[in-house]
Amino acid sequence: GQQVMQIPQYQHVQEGEDFTTYCNSSTTLSNIQWYKQRPGGHPVFLIQLVKSGEVKKQKRLTFQFGEAKKNSSLHITATQTTDVGTYFCAGPRASGSARQLTFGSGTQLTVLP
Amino acid sequence: DGGITQSPKYLFRKEGQNVTLSCEQNLNHDAMYWYRQDPGQGLRLIYYSQIVNDFQKGDIAEGYSVSREKKESFPLTVTSAQKNPTAFYLCASSDDRVGANVLTFGAGSRLTVL
Repeated sequence: GQQVMQIPQYQHVQEGEDFTTYCNSSTTLSNIQWYKQRPGGHPVFLIQLVKSGEVKKQKRLTFQFGEAKKNSSLHITATQTTDVGTYFCAGPRASGSARQLTFGSGTQLTVLP
Repeated sequence: DGGITQSPKYLFRKEGQNVTLSCEQNLNHDAMYWYRQDPGQGLRLIYYSQIVNDFQKGDIAEGYSVSREKKESFPLTVTSAQKNPTAFYLCASSDDRVGANVLTFGAGSRLTVL
């Protein structure tokens, strides 16, 4: 079945350092979504990428969708303590209902002050 | 403010008991979902519903049941058949009209089986 892998599982950075998490799907995705979950909270939608090679920015966050539409990355420049949380990527199923999103296992980011 | 309300936030259950988690949304979304989250893992889909009176099994539906009698409500029952029910349960909804299944999540219900 379709798998969505995320690496690394954990990342500790000093405040001000950059951070990147990578997402790889075993199948081609029609789109990919990114969510952030703060400690003790619930996932919150960040962005959706649809086009091959697409790059989108949200302030210090840069999202990329691979040319083959099987991988994606999230890069945070100059991390802040407010960036702490777990970042998930998710893509619609290749077969069956596209309503079924497959989530990666997430990257838990810790920012040390 | 529009959103998704889950209750209770914390729930303790004895083995062998069924428990129902509530999920209500006032976003006028057609689709609703239940996910399970375990520590260090991603979200796994339990059930989803695209329309009232219809729902589909997700990847881990065994030991769970749902109903969708109203557009606003999608309760989840964790039955005694669920082998390892201790987890964080997240309800979500999405707006079909915008064409993409971007999820809005509730705050979650944390179930602990004693």
